[in-house]
Amino acid sequence: SQKIEQNSEALNIQEGKTATLTCNYTNYSPAYLQWYRQDPGRGPVFLLLIRENEKEKRKERLKVTFDTTLKQSLFHITASQPADSATYLCAPDPNSGYALNFGKGTSLLVTP
Amino acid sequence: SQTIHQWPATLVQPVGSPLSLECTVEGTSNPNLYWYRQAAGRGLQLLFYSVGIGQISSEVPQNLSASRPQDRQFILSSKKLLLSDSGFYLCAWSEGGGSGNTIYFGEGSWLTVV
Repeated sequence: SQKIEQNSEALNIQEGKTATLTCNYTNYSPAYLQWYRQDPGRGPVFLLLIRENEKEKRKERLKVTFDTTLKQSLFHITASQPADSATYLCAPDPNSGYALNFGKGTSLLVTP
Repeated sequence: SQTIHQWPATLVQPVGSPLSLECTVEGTSNPNLYWYRQAAGRGLQLLFYSVGIGQISSEVPQNLSASRPQDRQFILSSKKLLLSDSGFYLCAWSEGGGSGNTIYFGEGSWLTVV
């Protein structure tokens, strides 16, 4: 069955450091992968989409990599700020249909 | 611009009572529509999705059902709620007609079954 695995442990880092979150998937052959941010009590918000032919994608302080051989995507936040504290979810392309499933997410806490 | 609204925002229902959550999208046509659930401390679970009026796909068997009576309206229902139905319900939409589309979520509905 298809599985999406994200760091189960919460990630605590100091302000200004780079946060790196991992998303591993099995039994997917995604043409793209999406990353979302979810704040407590709110719906997820789209951040970035990376396609299989894009090894890396950047948006301001965010960087996503996509390694289809390792079946892994890494999500980096550089110069992290306390406002970056949230849960980050990854969602690989379901290949067929429209049923986009999400990983359980990694909780990030950035402390001053 | 497109907007999505769902209601009610919170509700407390007794076991065995019915449920109706409603969601509407504005500013787009023929969207794909989704219902997700997030139980306490757990990930997002896709419950239903719809690619058109009257077309509903169920991802998990449960005592919930969904309907799409109009192009931009999606309703989640239950005839008899269970305690395990408690959770945070999210309606969402994406552009129709292809994959690789961003999903946009509503504000969510907190359901507590007592």
